[in-house]
Amino acid sequence: DQQVKQNSPSLSVQEGRISILNCDYTNSMFDYFLWYKKYPAEGPTFLISISSIKDKNEDGRFTVFLNKSAKHLSLHIVPSQPGDSAVYFCAASGGAAGNKLTFGGGTRVLVKP
Amino acid sequence: GAVVSQHPSWVICKSGTSVKIECRSLDFQATTMFWYRQFPKQSLMLMATSNEGSKATYEQGVEKDKFLINHASLTLSTLTVTSAHPEDSSFYICSADSENSYEQYFGPGTRLTVT
Repeated sequence: DQQVKQNSPSLSVQEGRISILNCDYTNSMFDYFLWYKKYPAEGPTFLISISSIKDKNEDGRFTVFLNKSAKHLSLHIVPSQPGDSAVYFCAASGGAAGNKLTFGGGTRVLVKP
Repeated sequence: GAVVSQHPSWVICKSGTSVKIECRSLDFQATTMFWYRQFPKQSLMLMATSNEGSKATYEQGVEKDKFLINHASLTLSTLTVTSAHPEDSSFYICSADSENSYEQYFGPGTRLTVT
């Protein structure tokens, strides 16, 4: 049972445009959500997070939106840059799982110059 | 920021041998460390949760006798793949909790190839 899903395995976007990555979850006990960026053969790098008491968190070019009623979160990257080309994972924690992270399957983003 | 290192970054070993991977938190104390495995083009799969001074908690389907985890101090956890086989070839990544935040900080990963 996949508790965290990223339904788009890949995304291609033009440099300067907005990248929107989506993530859905099923476990209503999750109360903290994170986005990680990963390059091949490297560990994930933390990007941005959001607590369930908020619906938006912004950090520079990255904004995460949380819709608790829909159990949906999204990551917006604007403007997209070629260096943003990577695989992005959303992750969730909380409830009985404590600090254990449950990851989505990832979305590969390609930013074209 | 919080830095986690892993050693070695890559290792090739023969089938039947054991391999130890170290995970260190360099500038913070990590009461909890996590070990993940990633197959090509797949998500990170949590293998086990390691707490300093206590036995690791393994996820369902992970053989605890094959993947030995030791969390000897607040800055070091080790994963030993015993009697490695080619199907154990994978990318192993550790992460550590920061006491001051909810984020986990990941190591750079270790590529294991078993021939």
